[in-house]
Amino acid sequence: EADIYQTPRYLVIGTGKKITLECSQTMGHDKMYWYQQDPGMELHLIHYSYGVNSTEKGDLSSESTVSRIRTEHFPLTLESARPSHTSQYLCASRGPGRGLVTGELFFGEGSRLTVL
Amino acid sequence: RKEVEQDPGPFNVPEGATVAFNCTYSNSASQSFFWYRQDCRKEPKLLMSVYSSGNEDGRFTAQLNRASQYISLLIRDSKLSDSATYLCVVGHGGSQGNLIFGKGTKLSVKP
Repeated sequence: EADIYQTPRYLVIGTGKKITLECSQTMGHDKMYWYQQDPGMELHLIHYSYGVNSTEKGDLSSESTVSRIRTEHFPLTLESARPSHTSQYLCASRGPGRGLVTGELFFGEGSRLTVL
Repeated sequence: RKEVEQDPGPFNVPEGATVAFNCTYSNSASQSFFWYRQDCRKEPKLLMSVYSSGNEDGRFTAQLNRASQYISLLIRDSKLSDSATYLCVVGHGGSQGNLIFGKGTKLSVKP
């Protein structure tokens, strides 16, 4: 089993609140990712990091921000939550690759956010 | 054209059936290929990597056709527990590159 943890698993919150979704991994992976996924829909990459102090935006524009101050920790923050932010947020980290082959992606169990 | 394309399904099959999923990718420089499985309301998990020579893991066989840029997954003797969404994942840019996910193919195995 992968050692990557997300909290909270479920969050119901009112519009305008600030929220932080936590993600931690104990595998020492440099590469970490945040994906957004609506029920029955595809995964969308919203943020990624290749190491401490490195963060990049993904393919899907998101109003969220991320930080990477420690290797094991990659939190995602929404300054002012809106109903359109309701979704599942999946954190992942990637193991080291070999040569041209990329490593396996390990996912956390996800944080299901509902904004009322 | 999307980088990774899959037939969305759903594939509804009876127990014991053999089912095949195909996936095409557009970047000829891609070097890493995977099949992930995602159960309803759960996170994706690696099912198997796909190697150039093809590989098998029990009832599952994965094949790669670089010339035609497609990957396949064959499931033999389907079980009820195989019901899930199967995601085709392609990586390029070497070990530093990102992974591109297909939309997934939904499989439903019925008794």
